[in-house]
Amino acid sequence: DTAVSQTPKYLVTQMGNDKSIKCEQNLGHDTMYWYKQDSKKFLKIMFSYNNKELIINETVPNRFSPKSPDKAHLNLHINSLELGDSAVYFCASSQLAGANVLTFGAGSRLTVL
Amino acid sequence: TQLLEQSPQFLSIQEGENLTVYCNSSSVFSSLQWYRQEPGEGPVLLVTVVTGGEVKKLKRLTFQFGDARKDSSLHITAAQPGDTGLYLCAGGIQGAQKLVFGQGTRLTINP
Repeated sequence: DTAVSQTPKYLVTQMGNDKSIKCEQNLGHDTMYWYKQDSKKFLKIMFSYNNKELIINETVPNRFSPKSPDKAHLNLHINSLELGDSAVYFCASSQLAGANVLTFGAGSRLTVL
Repeated sequence: TQLLEQSPQFLSIQEGENLTVYCNSSSVFSSLQWYRQEPGEGPVLLVTVVTGGEVKKLKRLTFQFGDARKDSSLHITAAQPGDTGLYLCAGGIQGAQKLVFGQGTRLTINP
């Protein structure tokens, strides 16, 4: 029944590894997002997809590659993980693109050792 | 440079007290949203305000959007331990198709 679900919830890995986080929404929303929340709780947008099309790509290293196979799914793959990638990554969705109300997932805490 | 500044960043008060959290910017926003986040969870929307000067009430919470649509406040009356959490404001940037978040106010209500 979870509206926005992301997996895994916790991810601990070594520097240099590649990892993926998956996200699915069952709200029928057209737009999905990835946000990064750092240790100071600051939430920053990384990517936004509207109906599988990339519409926002903030200044994110190209080690981060989002993929949207359909409008209900948005996955995030990270190559060559670095210590500074440690954070909580939130997936979110909204009915329309733009400054709309966001429904967030519970977050995926990534720890890079 | 932070687009949205929240103050205070930390607030710890006793149950029953009143408090106000501020969200300020030099930019004009098309809308302003307030979210509450609990540990281990994602932010959950509390309210959206879209008109300058707009006031919305949600039980003991009162939200106001500034006349110029550059700032907002959240006032809690008779705070309760269940109000404890991280409160985030988020501004909608016209034409940019995104929300920008403030850095959050971590509120603790002590019984």
